[in-house]
Amino acid sequence: GENVGLHLPTLSVQEGDNSIINCAYSNSASDYFIWYKQESGKGPQFIIDIRSNMDKRQGQRVTVLLNKTVKHLSLQIAATQPGDSAVYFCAGSLDRGATNKLIFGTGTLLAVQP
Amino acid sequence: DTEVTQTPKHLVMGMTNKKSLKCEQHMGHRAMYWYKQKAKKPPELMFVYSYEKLSINESVPSRFSPECPNSSLLNLHLHALQPEDSALYLCASSQGADSRYEQYFGPGTRLTVT
Repeated sequence: GENVGLHLPTLSVQEGDNSIINCAYSNSASDYFIWYKQESGKGPQFIIDIRSNMDKRQGQRVTVLLNKTVKHLSLQIAATQPGDSAVYFCAGSLDRGATNKLIFGTGTLLAVQP
Repeated sequence: DTEVTQTPKHLVMGMTNKKSLKCEQHMGHRAMYWYKQKAKKPPELMFVYSYEKLSINESVPSRFSPECPNSSLLNLHLHALQPEDSALYLCASSQGADSRYEQYFGPGTRLTVT
């Protein structure tokens, strides 16, 4: 089916620690994955993406890992800061002909304790 | 300019009202999207426009009517809504409608149907 879901609905970390947010997907046809951050009262904001021909991609303080064998995606945030507090969604793309559809996971609330 | 704007920010309407949500982008993107997001849930795709033509309608009830007057504008016309339609309505745009392109989201319109 078309399902992208998360293991943990809430993650609480101390400021300065590293955070890991996990996501599982079920559709092998997805070839593009994105992590979005959504702060309260705002729309989702792109963090990082990865294509299925890669297993790791790094950005500034963030790393996305993709394990296609077990259909698992993770987002690692280094030195987590209070400004990182938000809901994080993974999303996988599904091509519908020439049009791409994003299927979002259920979301993880990241709470950073000072 | 990497911004998607949406108006109004908040809207309260009765079940017999007709109202419209508006979305605008000036990034030259040729794909635009409407999503519905209920509280503590991920965004769910409603419609996709590609090159000003409707390319995906996710079986949305006809009381929601999208319109793309030009490549920068996307409207969502609302008529005879139900209280369960209360949600955050998000607009997004991308350079193209296939999976090579990141979707940029607006801040959303918070809709309450009374």
